[in-house]
Amino acid sequence: KNEVEQSPQNLTAQEGEFITINCSYSVGISALHWLQQHPGGGIVSLFMLSSGKKKHGRLIATINIQEKHSSLHITASHPRDSAVYICATQGGGADGLTFGKGTHLIIQP
Amino acid sequence: DAGVIQSPRHEVTEMGQEVTLRCKPISGHDYLFWYRQTMMRGLELLIYFNNNVPIDDSGMPEDRFSAKMPNASFSTLKIQPSEPRDSAVYFCASSPLTLRRTITEAFFGQGTRLTVV
Repeated sequence: KNEVEQSPQNLTAQEGEFITINCSYSVGISALHWLQQHPGGGIVSLFMLSSGKKKHGRLIATINIQEKHSSLHITASHPRDSAVYICATQGGGADGLTFGKGTHLIIQP
Repeated sequence: DAGVIQSPRHEVTEMGQEVTLRCKPISGHDYLFWYRQTMMRGLELLIYFNNNVPIDDSGMPEDRFSAKMPNASFSTLKIQPSEPRDSAVYFCASSPLTLRRTITEAFFGQGTRLTVV
């Protein structure tokens, strides 16, 4: 079973700061997902990637398959980015997800 | 499409009672997943279906848990009898298949918060 580790567990930053959340995993995967969970509890998929880099607005996700590591970056952070960010790996092409414990991000005005 | 729909949103029940959680996936999605989230263990996969057939139920904690998908638009997760340690948020998610027969991003329902007292 894949071991998915995220860091940091908690992060508090000021509005406008550049944010980085890291994710490492123990065995090869077919894809990695970044998810966002807001205080209301709903989960939204941000990215699914199997190589390289993806960008959506102020969010950037990268993955290094050889090093089994992924990062999620938020540029020009805003209080509305406050949420729990969860990294999840997918083993085979049609497997369920294995999740990290999440990073609780708070952006202060 | 309205997205993945779960019901009820909240459920409070007494220990020993039967609990049924319901999920309507997004139309056309081939895969349906049931996940559980607790403070201690985070999110965990319980079971998933492909075209209404259970593929992997190794995450189902005990025989008290069962899941069915009688058709492409409906799935249930049943706990009988329920115990306080089953208290958690239960999420249903669905995913479509690509032409390469791999799933793409997961679309989550809003979850059902279950409290067993």
